[in-house]
Amino acid sequence: KAGVTQTPRYLIKTRGQQVTLSCSPISGHRSVSWYQQTPGQGLQFLFEYFSETQRNKGNFPGRFSGRQFSNSRSEMNVSTLELGDSALYLCASSLVDGLLGYTFGSGTRLTVV
Amino acid sequence: ELKVEQNPLFLSMQEGKNYTIYCNYSTTSDRLYWYRQDPGKSLESLFVLLSNGAVKQEGRLMASLDTKARLSTLHITAAVHDLSATYFCAVEFPPNTGNQFYFGTGTSLTVIP
Repeated sequence: KAGVTQTPRYLIKTRGQQVTLSCSPISGHRSVSWYQQTPGQGLQFLFEYFSETQRNKGNFPGRFSGRQFSNSRSEMNVSTLELGDSALYLCASSLVDGLLGYTFGSGTRLTVV
Repeated sequence: ELKVEQNPLFLSMQEGKNYTIYCNYSTTSDRLYWYRQDPGKSLESLFVLLSNGAVKQEGRLMASLDTKARLSTLHITAAVHDLSATYFCAVEFPPNTGNQFYFGTGTSLTVIP
């Protein structure tokens, strides 16, 4: 059974650019969450989608946005990149509201220069 | 502000020894999750604890949850080198919705032969 797939694995962008990251959840999983991981701030929640609706959003500026498609695949977008956006971005999917836990993808490592 | 605190942050232990990692949280929640992360890798689900008094064991690891004390423990028995990793606990908030996790700071475990 395929896991959570994130693309690309690595990305280097310049300040001011924008970036789109993709996440394909496990087949049948309808909840997709995004997290940012940095050495200084640890793991922080970005947002969560269920059936194409954003149910919850973390404390991040409006430059961070996301969406979910009808096939449950999700994308997150970061506009006007800043050096501080350099991080590992993790996507997680769940079958039923976390009762069976969340499965994380391998992540996208974004470096902003 | 919801807080999830783990201690210790760093743990160096000899093979064969036992130790416990503690996870305290500041909100009411019946669900707590434990994850493992190897360097440069994603998060691997270890345990999903869904109610007060829940205890789960897998190999040399055992996790428990006391929702009244807002405390979870991850006990390591007879540590082996393969257990070297960073361990995170995560609390779900809003409670029982599976919407988002608040992660602890992580405990970096090094098992010395």
